[in-house]
Amino acid sequence: QKEVEQDPGPLSVPEGAIVSLNCTYSNSAFQYFMWYRQYSRKGPELLMYTYSSGNKEDGRFTAQVDKSSKYISLFIRDSQPSDSATYLCAMSVRGSQGNLIFGKGTKLSVKP
Amino acid sequence: GAVVSQHPSWVICKSGTSVKIECRSLDFQATTMFWYRQFPKQSLMLMATSNEGSKATYEQGVEKDKFLINHASLTLSTLTVTSAHPEDSSFYICSAREGQSGTYEQYFGPGTRLTVT
Repeated sequence: QKEVEQDPGPLSVPEGAIVSLNCTYSNSAFQYFMWYRQYSRKGPELLMYTYSSGNKEDGRFTAQVDKSSKYISLFIRDSQPSDSATYLCAMSVRGSQGNLIFGKGTKLSVKP
Repeated sequence: GAVVSQHPSWVICKSGTSVKIECRSLDFQATTMFWYRQFPKQSLMLMATSNEGSKATYEQGVEKDKFLINHASLTLSTLTVTSAHPEDSSFYICSAREGQSGTYEQYFGPGTRLTVT
């Protein structure tokens, strides 16, 4: 079993839809959770950063962490064609150098 | 804030030559920098972790004599691909982490596309 599992998609939704992206993990020591957005041929861009469990909201984006289920989610409200990208979840263990363990990424396409 | 640059953005080189890629943190001091490699439609593969002033720590399977990493200052790390071969063609991305304790976010550069002919 891989440490971080993420459905690669592709996921196609119409403009304005609510998008739900998810990752599961097996290492209960993970405490820092991040979501990155990567456009084609570009470096990943940090979208959301969460420590431990709970929700975090930033504009149209909401990140949720459920440590009891080892499950994290990213919700995108009112999705736009510009949100079309690959979304990578990443997580880290407290006390490490900050090495991130990445999911494989989910490719999202928002159709106008 | 938290901007990381990479240079060059793309490079083509001949087999057997060496290529140097620079990674700079523009508005913060990065005590730790990371180098990743990404193949098409795949996730990022961590190659090595470098701390300023120390030798880099390489991941299993990554040849340290082939991929030379230097982190000479708090804002600059370089990756040199020595004696490049076509199989080294890939997208190389660096990231940087601020030195504050409890800060685990990594900020990524835009990547360097290397093509070895």
